[in-house]
Amino acid sequence: DAKTTQPPSMDCAEGRAANLPCNHSTISGNEYVYWYRQIHSQGPQYIIHGLKNNETNEMASLIITEDRKSSTLILPHATLRDTAVYYCIVRVDHNNDMRFGAGTRLTVKP
Amino acid sequence: DGGITQSPKYLFRKEGQNVTLSCEQNLNHDAMYWYRQDPGQGLRLIYYSQIVNDFQKGDIAEGYSVSREKKESFPLTVTSAQKNPTAFYLCASSIPGKEKLFFGSGTQLSVL
Repeated sequence: DAKTTQPPSMDCAEGRAANLPCNHSTISGNEYVYWYRQIHSQGPQYIIHGLKNNETNEMASLIITEDRKSSTLILPHATLRDTAVYYCIVRVDHNNDMRFGAGTRLTVKP
Repeated sequence: DGGITQSPKYLFRKEGQNVTLSCEQNLNHDAMYWYRQDPGQGLRLIYYSQIVNDFQKGDIAEGYSVSREKKESFPLTVTSAQKNPTAFYLCASSIPGKEKLFFGSGTQLSVL
């Protein structure tokens, strides 16, 4: 599975959009991009995933560049409860051994 | 409610002792996983199982053992060979080939 690179930390003002970047320059054609988040001392929570097209659900939007070498997770109106570590993962869909990196620690400030 | 349950929430191990962490799920998922998380770090895969009576080593399997005798259960034993066992342990499950992993609430293991 391709490796990902994320900034170690980011801040965001409450009510503003949080844009979390992820680089995955070695991604192959059959690898999906997944995002999870982990609130302190809890298990990670699935957010969203995509292959080529941009995706949106009730939690977030996922923007994948045309060359698929990077992506951005967007939380449109960040709240204090969105403070967490966000993990970007790429893997082949049928591959069951999902690996997590260090992620980005997002702090939403009032 | 369907979910994945880990117990105990806190566990203490004496030097040279084996301890077993419990993970039970009633989601009817075939695949189950164990991860280790050290403070300020990401998750590292210890073992995973795609089906009953079968499991594979992850990146850091040394000093750990697992069994998968039932679909619902995937216990992790931290053996005395694991010299630095203090960590937060997370269990997860999924339907093989599907995107979502469902995680338990974790077990914090500490060495006395």
